[in-house]
Amino acid sequence: TQLLEQSPQFLSIQEGENLTVYCNSSSVFSSLQWYRQEPGEGPVLLVTVVTGGEVKKLKRLTFQFGDARKDSSLHITAAQPGDTGLYLCAGAPGNYQLIWGAGTKLIIKP
Amino acid sequence: DADVTQTPRNRITKTGKRIMLECSQTKGHDRMYWYRQDPGLGLRLIYYSFDVKDINKGEISDGYSVSRQAQAKFSLSLESAIPNQTALYFCATSGGDRDKRTQYFGPGTRLLVL
Repeated sequence: TQLLEQSPQFLSIQEGENLTVYCNSSSVFSSLQWYRQEPGEGPVLLVTVVTGGEVKKLKRLTFQFGDARKDSSLHITAAQPGDTGLYLCAGAPGNYQLIWGAGTKLIIKP
Repeated sequence: DADVTQTPRNRITKTGKRIMLECSQTKGHDRMYWYRQDPGLGLRLIYYSFDVKDINKGEISDGYSVSRQAQAKFSLSLESAIPNQTALYFCATSGGDRDKRTQYFGPGTRLLVL
C-alpha cells in the first residue's frame, strides 16, 4: 500500500514567520501535487511537480520535489493570515489516481 | 457558476435510512470521484468512474454504492446509514486535456448520521 505522510499535522505560527511542511513516502511517484483547502470548500490545486529535484515558486510559497521523487516540501516565507488553511499533498503513482496525505492544518496568527 | 456542484450541502439523517448525495459537473471531464474526509485521515477514495460505463471501488467502498447517470452526473448512496459514516463527502472530477492528474472538487456535503 502506498502511503504519503505529512508533517507536522498542525502548525500555528505568528504572521511574518517562515515555515516548512513535509510530505514523505517510501514509494516513487510520477508527479506530486499540493492542494489548499479552506473551511467550507473543497481542495484547490496549488502546484504540480514532476521532475526529481524540481523547484517551483508561487509568490511566497516554494515547492520542491525530492531527487528520488519520493518526497516533497512546501516552504512559506513571511506567512500571512491569508495562508491559513489545510495543506494536502497528493502523489500520482502513474495511473491518474491520487494517493493523499492526511494534511497539515496551518494557522497564521495576526 | 461553480464547475462542480454537490447537493445537499448539509444533511442530518438517522441510522438505517437510505440517502443519496448528488454531484454534477460542467467541466466536461470524463473522470469522477467520491471521497470522504475525516479529521486526521485526509481524503479517502470511496468510488471512482472513468466514464459512464466504468465504475470502480476505492479503498473504502463498503456500505456505499454509486450511479453514473451521465458524463456530468455521479451520485453516491448510503443504503443504510450508520453513525460512523458521519463525515464530509467530496465529489471531484479530472480529465481535462491540459492535465488529467489535477482533480477539481465540489464544495462538499457535511453528513451527520444520528
